[in-house]
Amino acid sequence: GQQLNQSPQSMFIQEGEDVSMNCTSSSIFNTWLWYKQDPGEGPVLLIALYKAGELTSNGRLTAQFGITRKDSFLNISASIPSDVGIYFCAGPGAGSYQLTFGKGTKLSVIP
Amino acid sequence: KAGVTQTPRYLIKTRGQQVTLSCSPISGHRSVSWYQQTPGQGLQFLFEYFSETQRNKGNFPGRFSGRQFSNSRSEMNVSTLELGDSALYLCASSLAPLLAGDSYEQYFGPGTRLTVT
Repeated sequence: GQQLNQSPQSMFIQEGEDVSMNCTSSSIFNTWLWYKQDPGEGPVLLIALYKAGELTSNGRLTAQFGITRKDSFLNISASIPSDVGIYFCAGPGAGSYQLTFGKGTKLSVIP
Repeated sequence: KAGVTQTPRYLIKTRGQQVTLSCSPISGHRSVSWYQQTPGQGLQFLFEYFSETQRNKGNFPGRFSGRQFSNSRSEMNVSTLELGDSALYLCASSLAPLLAGDSYEQYFGPGTRLTVT
């Protein structure tokens, strides 16, 4: 089946630093979604991308749909303690009727 | 607008028992999907319901089943529980079913934490 590879798996950063994470697929994706999950809660949708090359921002978060349609990137600027959590990429691969999720990037912010 | 609600939030069952989990989608959302989340496998798609019909099913055994009611509320059932069924079960709702148009945006509930002993 389709797989999404997220990197890094985990990261520790200082408060105020910028963060970058990415997601790659072996097959083409038509949509990329980025979610954040806090402990004990369900994932929360952060950004949705629908077009190759698209760059979308949501506050301090910016995500890009790679032009090859096989990757996506999420950047967080000026990180704060509440950014702590697990970030997932997801998408329906071409011809797929279901969402595939990456294994997540666990972000820790050191005050 | 109220979010997706799931009940119960926590559940402890023993092997061999069965369990039913409930999900109420966001008002106006007609598609409900269920996912299993475990540390080892991550988030895995179980099935999707739209207009009381199962549209898609993931790669899970027949012990996992679900249904959707006319008010879009959904339930999932797991029979003959196994230790490996311990997981966080997440429900997600969306306006339309996947691939029906341009919306793949799903909104998740808080999940039901199932522990099988």
